[in-house]
Amino acid sequence: QKEVEQNSGPLSVPEGAIASLNCTYSDRGSQSFFWYRQYSGKSPELIMSIYSNGDKEDGRFTAQLNKASQYVSLLIRDSQPSDSATYLCAVKMDSNYQLIWGAGTKLIIKP
Amino acid sequence: NAGVTQTPKFQVLKTGQSMTLQCAQDMNHNSMYWYRQDPGMGLRLIYYSASEGTTDKGEVPNGYNVSRLNKREFSLRLESAAPSQTSVYFCASSERGVQYQETQYFGPGTRLLVL
Repeated sequence: QKEVEQNSGPLSVPEGAIASLNCTYSDRGSQSFFWYRQYSGKSPELIMSIYSNGDKEDGRFTAQLNKASQYVSLLIRDSQPSDSATYLCAVKMDSNYQLIWGAGTKLIIKP
Repeated sequence: NAGVTQTPKFQVLKTGQSMTLQCAQDMNHNSMYWYRQDPGMGLRLIYYSASEGTTDKGEVPNGYNVSRLNKREFSLRLESAAPSQTSVYFCASSERGVQYQETQYFGPGTRLLVL
């Protein structure tokens, strides 16, 4: 069964520090990787997508992909209280339209 | 540009009642999806529609039916609601880009309680 695994947390990080969120996936044929943020009671919103091995930076966010080790991570620099949310990892495993979702990691940024 | 809209926002049903959740998108996307989200679990795909006129089962289709009314609208129907269907339901849409690049955009969700 194709799976995406995330530590459920909560992950507590001091304000201004780097938050590191990790995600592993089971299917080596996976092609596309997404990080969504979900505030409590709200819908998921896309933060970043990554398709190639290496790092991709967008402002305070950096996505890292290692296909050989089958993991994708999200780094949040200079963490702010507004970054407190649940972060969902999603993986597209083949040409099928479906995404496989992790259960999410709850991140708490402490002032 | 409203994006993805869903109605209703909240609903309480009694066991055995039926209802239809409505979803519409104004982004001219071909693909639309219905997910459910339960506490401590990731999003689980109920049904999806790759294009107007087509629908396919996802991971948890039992107890649900869908209709892709046109390119904009994708509805989800519960014919006989059960307490196990208490959940938050999200509709999403997407458009396939280069290779596997495809971002899903979500509606605000419908919170359903089945008593």
